[in-house]
Amino acid sequence: DQQVKQNSPSLSVQEGRISILNCDYTNSMFDYFLWYKKYPAEGPTFLISISSIKDKNEDGRFTVFLNKSAKHLSLHIVPSQPGDSAVYFCAASGQDTGGFKTIFGAGTRLFVKA
Amino acid sequence: DAGVTQSPTHLIKTRGQHVTLRCSPISGHKSVSWYQQVLGQGPQFIFQYYEKEERGRGNFPDRFSARQFPNYSSELNVNALLLGDSALYLCASSLWSDTDEQYFGPGTRLTVT
Repeated sequence: DQQVKQNSPSLSVQEGRISILNCDYTNSMFDYFLWYKKYPAEGPTFLISISSIKDKNEDGRFTVFLNKSAKHLSLHIVPSQPGDSAVYFCAASGQDTGGFKTIFGAGTRLFVKA
Repeated sequence: DAGVTQSPTHLIKTRGQHVTLRCSPISGHKSVSWYQQVLGQGPQFIFQYYEKEERGRGNFPDRFSARQFPNYSSELNVNALLLGDSALYLCASSLWSDTDEQYFGPGTRLTVT
């Protein structure tokens, strides 16, 4: 049962253009959403987050949008840089009967071409 | 400042054996979470501990257990290892629990033969 889905395994973007990574979730218990970036042979690195009471959060070149009614969030990277090439994971956190949980999507591999 | 550290880096075990993985959180962080990551998937949530108490548990069998010590370090134990337990085991720490962003260690690569 995939509660957090990233339907695009990979994305290729030209340097300087916008990268848009998408994520869908199914469980209404989630009230906090995060994006992590992962390079090979390293653990994931926190990038940006958003609370369910907001619909947008911005940090430099990174913006996360949340559409609660559609249970959809997206990460926008503008402008994209070659150093942004990595695997990006969407994660959702919240409380359910099993206690607190953080559920990750399968990841999207971003390639930024110079 | 040191980040999250995990030991060992790599480990090879035989089916049926037991394994203990260790994690030291960032200084001042009181919450530790454990994840299992297999190739091609995102990290799968196993446990979260906060102030030495289990706060959350994922869908893993009882062969998986963990604990957190007074210094906030943590151990993940897996009994009766199966081939399917081969994975990268990630530890993450955060200041509190719930909504804090987590800081991940480099992981322990476990291979079960």
